[in-house]
Amino acid sequence: AAGVIQSPRHLIKEKRETATLKCYPIPRHDTVYWYQQGPGQDPQFLISFYEKMQSDKGSIPDRFSAQQFSDYHSELNMSSLELGDSALYFCASSPSRGRGNTEAFFGQGTRLTVV
Amino acid sequence: AQSVTQPDIHITVSEGASLELRCNYSYGATPYLFWYVQSPGQGLQLLLKYFSGDTLVQGIKGFEAEFKRSQSSFNLRKPSVHWSDAAEYFCAVVPYSGGGADGLTFGKGTHLIIQP
Repeated sequence: AAGVIQSPRHLIKEKRETATLKCYPIPRHDTVYWYQQGPGQDPQFLISFYEKMQSDKGSIPDRFSAQQFSDYHSELNMSSLELGDSALYFCASSPSRGRGNTEAFFGQGTRLTVV
Repeated sequence: AQSVTQPDIHITVSEGASLELRCNYSYGATPYLFWYVQSPGQGLQLLLKYFSGDTLVQGIKGFEAEFKRSQSSFNLRKPSVHWSDAAEYFCAVVPYSGGGADGLTFGKGTHLIIQP
């Protein structure tokens, strides 16, 4: 079965550079979520999109922005990277907005290392 | 705001022994509840979820969890663990609301170690 695809899997950037992470949801899933997981930490919710509109916002820094495109894939743009941005970034998708009783399926994550 | 507490950072269990991982949540109403498992460097896999109805829910890999409203708990259990169960386990909640795209709030996780 198709899963959530994230690219790249690994990314190394220098401080103050920019990075773009991509997420391709499971087909027919219209909701996408982004999470950040620091080393040894629990995942922290960043932002979500439903039908290409921002739906919920968590602890996303102002240096980060995201969007969902017409084909439902999503991109997380990160600027002025800091060492503390080094983390595993997960994308998840779910089939419909509705109430919260929809399961979110997670991708394998993008490991970002800022040096 | 909702919060999730997993009191045990690490748990060591012998292979074949039973397991219980604790999870308590703090929220004004009953949220939707989930347990996820994460192997090192991997993504999160859903073990089971509770939305409503029967308070004992069955999941994959032989796991089950029981929702206890009076204790605001959603503990994960397995009668006999296997070495392959060694991983990080996260309890998570999402508010019961009209916004199905609300993000999950995770606990800090419990690291499960299996002794031979």
